[in-house]
Amino acid sequence: GAVVSQHPSRVICKSGTSVKIECRSLDFQATTMFWYRQFPKQSLMLMATSNEGSKATYEQGVEKDKFLINHASLTLSTLTVTSAHPEDSSFYICSARDLGLDNNEQFFGPGTRLTVL
Amino acid sequence: GQNIDQPTEMTATEGAIVQINCTYQTSGFNGLFWYQQHAGEAPTFLSYNVLDGLEEKGRFSSFLSRSKGYSYLLLKELQMKDSASYLCAGTDSNYQLIWGAGTKLIIKP
Repeated sequence: GAVVSQHPSRVICKSGTSVKIECRSLDFQATTMFWYRQFPKQSLMLMATSNEGSKATYEQGVEKDKFLINHASLTLSTLTVTSAHPEDSSFYICSARDLGLDNNEQFFGPGTRLTVL
Repeated sequence: GQNIDQPTEMTATEGAIVQINCTYQTSGFNGLFWYQQHAGEAPTFLSYNVLDGLEEKGRFSSFLSRSKGYSYLLLKELQMKDSASYLCAGTDSNYQLIWGAGTKLIIKP
């Protein structure tokens, strides 16, 4: 199946710093990638939909100036958490949709665990 | 509104069968997914149903009834490694995934 990678897998940072997370589709092209956040024992929460070559679509309640999304190519989307605070500590997961499939399956990256001290 | 309902937690015995139910309400419907998620890991794809009926894939089967807005995931010959959360997700008219909160399945020896 299609493979999605995320980097880094874990990051610990100080409050006030910015953290960039990369999401790559390794063997397929994805015009659309999705960014999710998952707090402990809770379900996935869609943060934004990232579209190649255009602005991301953010879900209600997600600050676009705090969570910057750049989808510069068909295989790479980045999420930057700006001025991170302890409440931003979470598991961030990206997914991508394979244009070549017609079932709209989303392939997930392994996730990035962010801890803000 | 859009809504996906599934039980919060279920317990079953190793070697047994368990059925995890999911009911959905979406604006438009373009299929239903089941994903498995182990603690601390990303979800992995299990099944996709867009037509009514049962789809079998090894020990796992998934059923869909569009008229009832209902699906279930059936796990047979349970193994300890099946202990995980099982996420039901419907797709709406924009092909956006609407996620359930997940069902935590606990397998006991």
